[in-house]
Amino acid sequence: GAVVSQHPSWVICKSGTSVKIECRSLDFQATTMFWYRQFPKQSLMLMATSNEGSKATYEQGVEKDKFLINHASLTLSTLTVTSAHPEDSSFYICSARGRGAKSHNEQFFGPGTRLTVL
Amino acid sequence: QKEVEQNSGPLSVPEGAIASLNCTYSDRGSQSFFWYRQYSGKSPELIMSIYSNGDKEDGRFTAQLNKASQYVSLLIRDSQPSDSATYLCAVFAGGTSYGKLTFGQGTILTVHP
Repeated sequence: GAVVSQHPSWVICKSGTSVKIECRSLDFQATTMFWYRQFPKQSLMLMATSNEGSKATYEQGVEKDKFLINHASLTLSTLTVTSAHPEDSSFYICSARGRGAKSHNEQFFGPGTRLTVL
Repeated sequence: QKEVEQNSGPLSVPEGAIASLNCTYSDRGSQSFFWYRQYSGKSPELIMSIYSNGDKEDGRFTAQLNKASQYVSLLIRDSQPSDSATYLCAVFAGGTSYGKLTFGQGTILTVHP
């Protein structure tokens, strides 16, 4: 149980284009999904917290107009990197937090999406 | 500021030894504690969670929590080369943070044959 998928697993795009990354909880309903970014040899950096049906909460320094997050259902959240530039190249990872009495705020991570902007 | 600190690495242990990973946290109201393992180029994988003082064992892994000392640790017995990875300590502080976890910077563990 507690499987989270991401699509695509990797993407290469040209500078100035937009890229959408999907995050799905496959076997549970996720009240909250989180989006992280990780540069090589660095720790996870939380970008935003996404609750189903409401606007995402962005961490300080993260441009909400550049990183658009939509959490349309309890099993799907999307991150769109708009007008991507080479400095946006990174490993983007989503995680999902389950719902229910047995949930102790564990987060289950998707496999990540490696974005390369040329 | 809520912080999670892990012992600086990298940590290198021989195969078969016990690897000890330590973590301290600053928010005394923290409620839930997690250890994640992250292989190079992969996403983190939850390996242990602990919520109350004491020890929790799962196979070769033992998590220890001491809320009075604000300290959580992970012991890996009979370490194997496949345990070589970065280990992340994560803490949930509660409140209205929607389950946001605070992560430590990670400890790189290398198990050499």
